Amino acid sequence: SQTIHQWPATLVQPVGSPLSLECTVEGTSNPNLYWYRQAAGRGLQLLFYSVGIGQISSEVPQNLSASRPQDRQFILSSKKLLLSDSGFYLCAWSSQGMEPQHFGDGTRLSIL
Amino acid sequence: ELKVEQNPLFLSMQEGKNYTIYCNYSTTSDRLYWYRQDPGKSLESLFVLLSNGAVKQEGRLMASLDTKARLSTLHITAAVHDLSATYFCAVSPQGGSEKLVFGKGTKLTVNP
Repeated sequence: SQTIHQWPATLVQPVGSPLSLECTVEGTSNPNLYWYRQAAGRGLQLLFYSVGIGQISSEVPQNLSASRPQDRQFILSSKKLLLSDSGFYLCAWSSQGMEPQHFGDGTRLSIL
Repeated sequence: ELKVEQNPLFLSMQEGKNYTIYCNYSTTSDRLYWYRQDPGKSLESLFVLLSNGAVKQEGRLMASLDTKARLSTLHITAAVHDLSATYFCAVSPQGGSEKLVFGKGTKLTVNP
């Protein structure tokens, strides 16, 4: 069966520090991969999605970037975090077609 | 641009009562999803609705889709406390896009 792993679960970072969040999927090949952010008490905002290695689409201009160095690995990065980057970051995957997206457990990021 | 609106955003109900959550979307879509999120947790897929008139049921929850009205409903029958969570609908724009646009979510609280 397919599983998605996301880490770390919780992260506290100072303003201006770099960020790297990692997401990996097991049990499937060539998945579509997604990064979302959920601010406290709000809905999900799609940040990036990828349909293949090295193919990244950005949905929202910001100081975050994403990379997909391997088929089942998706990384969210920042060179300098802002206070507004705080939130709950969720990675998700889907297969081609009509199947729903499946979400990882999320990373709760607090910026101090 | 596809917009997804859910209402109500907050719902407090008594155990044993029935209620309906509504999800409206602004442009033609070929699929709609319902997700559940428990506090501090990730999203869990509940239903996938792929065609006009589609109806899916799982326990006390029933979801339906009217593509002509661009409306989906999530009906709760005889609510129990365990259904307390935030429910999101998500819509994919027509044309095979892999992206989903989420509503803001409906926070449901079921009181004894």
